[in-house]
Amino acid sequence: AQKVTQAQTEISVVEKEDVTLDCVYETRDTTYYLFWYKQPPSGELVFLIRRNSFDEQNEISGRYSWNFQKSTSSFNFTITASQVVDSAVYFCALSEYSLTGGGNKLTFGTGTQLKVEL
Amino acid sequence: GAGVSQSPSNKVTEKGKDVELRCDPISGHTALYWYRQSLGQGLEFLIYFQGNSAPDKSGLPSDRFSAERTGGSVSTLTIQRTQQEDSAVYLCASSPPLGRAGVLRQYFGPGTRLTVT
Repeated sequence: AQKVTQAQTEISVVEKEDVTLDCVYETRDTTYYLFWYKQPPSGELVFLIRRNSFDEQNEISGRYSWNFQKSTSSFNFTITASQVVDSAVYFCALSEYSLTGGGNKLTFGTGTQLKVEL
Repeated sequence: GAGVSQSPSNKVTEKGKDVELRCDPISGHTALYWYRQSLGQGLEFLIYFQGNSAPDKSGLPSDRFSAERTGGSVSTLTIQRTQQEDSAVYLCASSPPLGRAGVLRQYFGPGTRLTVT
């Protein structure tokens, strides 16, 4: 069975600080996908990033970066120079690898509430 | 273009009544998912439709829950004899087929907040 653990329930930072959200996962699959989604107060889940299990290259996209470590089953997400608009609940998620496209069902972590204050 | 839409946005029902929740996926998306978000259980998968294949119903919590997808587009999630523990936000998501932009990510709707009194 798949499992995603986000140990941080809530994080508070001051604007412009960098913040890292932790995610640890469990799966028996050798190939899989990992995701980060953001849920602002409006409630709609917004896709942020996706990684394939067979590609451990870490990347930076604007103020977002992620650190995928297959050896430790971790997929951490960093926001650089945080802003008040980054305040939201962030979910890490895992899905099986799919050959048919359209992804597959997601297993979510419990989420981390990020509060960015002035 | 239009995103995933869900209706109603809020639904209050009495215990024991049946409810229907509707999801309109993004046009052309072949995969459709239902999830439930509740305080006690977090975000959990309910059911998944992919094209004309048999749906994956492995996440449905009881036989009171069912869903159908007509014409490969609109989906309806039905909860019969609602219970208070069914109170949650029900989220729908869709994904494009292989070869289309945005493949392998799910586009979520705004959700339907169900309250069972």
